[in-house]
Amino acid sequence: DTGVSQDPRHKITKRGQNVTFRCDPISEHNRLYWYRQTLGQGPEFLTYFQNEAQLEKSRLLSDRFSAERPKGSFSTLEIQRTEQGDSAMYLCASSQSRDRAEKLFFGSGTQLSVL
Amino acid sequence: DQQVKQNSPSLSVQEGRISILNCDYTNSMFDYFLWYKKYPAEGPTFLISISSIKDKNEDGRFTVFLNKSAKHLSLHIVPSQPGDSAVYFCAARGSFKTIFGAGTRLFVKA
Repeated sequence: DTGVSQDPRHKITKRGQNVTFRCDPISEHNRLYWYRQTLGQGPEFLTYFQNEAQLEKSRLLSDRFSAERPKGSFSTLEIQRTEQGDSAMYLCASSQSRDRAEKLFFGSGTQLSVL
Repeated sequence: DQQVKQNSPSLSVQEGRISILNCDYTNSMFDYFLWYKKYPAEGPTFLISISSIKDKNEDGRFTVFLNKSAKHLSLHIVPSQPGDSAVYFCAARGSFKTIFGAGTRLFVKA
């Protein structure tokens, strides 16, 4: 039983560059979430997919951020024209909608550093 | 607008004693509350949950208490073990998303 995997684990980029992260959820999970975490804070919701449909997006998410989940499998999160404020840990989580408590299963995250 | 608050950034406890981690929330529409544990360089992992219609849920050494009138929940760990040293996040599930507190770092001293 493989868990949620994220790639890459670390990404260093220069301001203004575009970056893309990938998340492979647990195979039988139909829901997929992206969260962002900065030092001393808890995970902050970014966006959510049920199967391939993106159902909610945080108002905090600027239009430089875009996420996709083609065919309801893996997901990608792209950040265009990165800024130093984008430096954070980007976490992906998946869950099963029939779980009433909806426990989230997280990957190990992608640590982004924008120089 | 912090809907889930953990006001203690850190807690230090002696091995074998009880650890009590606290959490407050503001939105009465949350239907489930969950605790997650996080070790360095790993994502958070689920620990225990409680439905908003319950006031207590127990799983081994971990017990979560919910006081809806006070909009407060707590996680009790007894007895605490050095391996419990981690960051603990309180989380609340609303419509389609889970909202997390800032976390409490627990140190269990041997």
